[in-house]
Amino acid sequence: DAGVIQSPRHEVTEMGQEVTLRCKPISGHNSLFWYRQTMMRGLELLIYFNNNVPIDDSGMPEDRFSAKMPNASFSTLKIQPSEPRDSAVYFCASRPTPNTEAFFGQGTRLTVV
Amino acid sequence: AQTVTQSQPEMSVQEAETVTLSCTYDTSESNYYLFWYKQPPSRQMILVIRQEAYKQQNATENRFSVNFQKAAKSFSLKISDSQLGDTAMYFCAFGSDQGAQKLVFGQGTRLTINP
Repeated sequence: DAGVIQSPRHEVTEMGQEVTLRCKPISGHNSLFWYRQTMMRGLELLIYFNNNVPIDDSGMPEDRFSAKMPNASFSTLKIQPSEPRDSAVYFCASRPTPNTEAFFGQGTRLTVV
Repeated sequence: AQTVTQSQPEMSVQEAETVTLSCTYDTSESNYYLFWYKQPPSRQMILVIRQEAYKQQNATENRFSVNFQKAAKSFSLKISDSQLGDTAMYFCAFGSDQGAQKLVFGQGTRLTINP
């Protein structure tokens, strides 16, 4: 298996633009997580899906952030409009069952200027 | 809500020394899972070790071992005979077995192994 695949690896955008981050989880994994990593806050859980259904989105910072999982093999995290404070590394992770570890993608480094 | 606290933002030791990274967590659940992840400069998150709360025996993986104190809600990672390749960020994580079954991480500890 190729592991969790995220795209793009790097994204530079101007403030106010829409940004879409993409994730393909490992086949057969039922859970998918989106995390944001910054120096100040560490790894923050943004949203968590189980069987394509959003279970907990309490970590989504504000209405500018939205996430979807239209099927078991694809998820998106969208920021609209983007702001400089959204600059961070965004990770997607998946796991087969709740009692196992999560497998992470390589992350997307987002820079909003 | 579960929280994970790593009180050591940075640590530095000499090669071949033993180092212990601290982690505490807060939960009202009786069964759960704990993990240590390593993040080298490549940014890739790599699982180091895993512990089930219902197991009293501490997990061990080669040079890596944990000290799991359930009553104290403590889960420290010991790295023996440290190597230059152990230089990385280390994250402690709590996996819930109930409810939303989230996976929550601590702030991380930046570990540097000096030659």
